[in-house]
Amino acid sequence: DVKVTQSSRYLVKRTGEKVFLECVQDMDHENMFWYRQDPGLGLRLIYFSYDVKMKEKGDIPEGYSVSREKKERFSLILESASTNQTSMYLCASRGGGASYNEQFFGPGTRLTVL
Amino acid sequence: GESVGLHLPTLSVQEGDNSIINCAYSNSASDYFIWYKQESGKGPQFIIDIRSNMDKRQGQRVTVLLNKTVKHLSLQIAATQPGDSAVYFCAEKPHAGNNRKLIWGLGTSLAVNP
Repeated sequence: DVKVTQSSRYLVKRTGEKVFLECVQDMDHENMFWYRQDPGLGLRLIYFSYDVKMKEKGDIPEGYSVSREKKERFSLILESASTNQTSMYLCASRGGGASYNEQFFGPGTRLTVL
Repeated sequence: GESVGLHLPTLSVQEGDNSIINCAYSNSASDYFIWYKQESGKGPQFIIDIRSNMDKRQGQRVTVLLNKTVKHLSLQIAATQPGDSAVYFCAEKPHAGNNRKLIWGLGTSLAVNP
C-alpha cells in the first residue's frame, strides 16, 4: 500500500514564525501536492511538484514556498506564519499511467497560528 | 469561470438505503471525473473515476453516472453502511491547459443513520 506520511498531526505556532511541514511518500511517485482544507472551501491547491527540484504554483501560493530535493519528500514552508494560515494541510502523491487520477493523501497536519 | 459544485452540502440516509450524491460541473473540457471519500480525521481517498466519453461506470457497491448534456455527475452507493459516513468530493481532470492538477468540488457530507 502507498503510504504518505506527514511530520505532525497537530502544530501550534506563533505569528511570524517560520514553519516547515514535511511530507514523505514511499511509492516512488513523481507528483506531489500540498493542499489546504478549510470548512466550506474544500481542497485548495497551494503548490505541486512533478519531479525533483521542480515545482509549480497552485491556486493559492501566496505566503507559501516549497522544496523538493528528493523524490520521496516534499516540504511546505510558511516563511512568516500568519493567523489566516491556520488550517488543515494535506499532502498527496500520485504516480503516472493508469493511476493518473488517484492521489494518495496523508492524514493531514492541523496548523494553528496564534 | 471553472467550478465544480454540489447540489447538496449534506445528505442523511438510513442504513441499508441507497445514497445518491450529486455534483454539477461547468468545465466541459475534462478528460475524467473522479470521486473521493474523506472519513473523519483522514485524508481523502480515491473511490472511482469515469472517463468523459462514458456515461456509467460501476465499482464495488458504487456507480458513477455522467450526464454531459446537463453537466452533472453523481455517485450512487448501494446498501449504504455506517462506514460510508464521510465527506465525498467530486473532482475533474481538465483535458487542456495544466492537466496535472484537479479541479475539486466543495464536498458533500453523508451521514448514515443506524
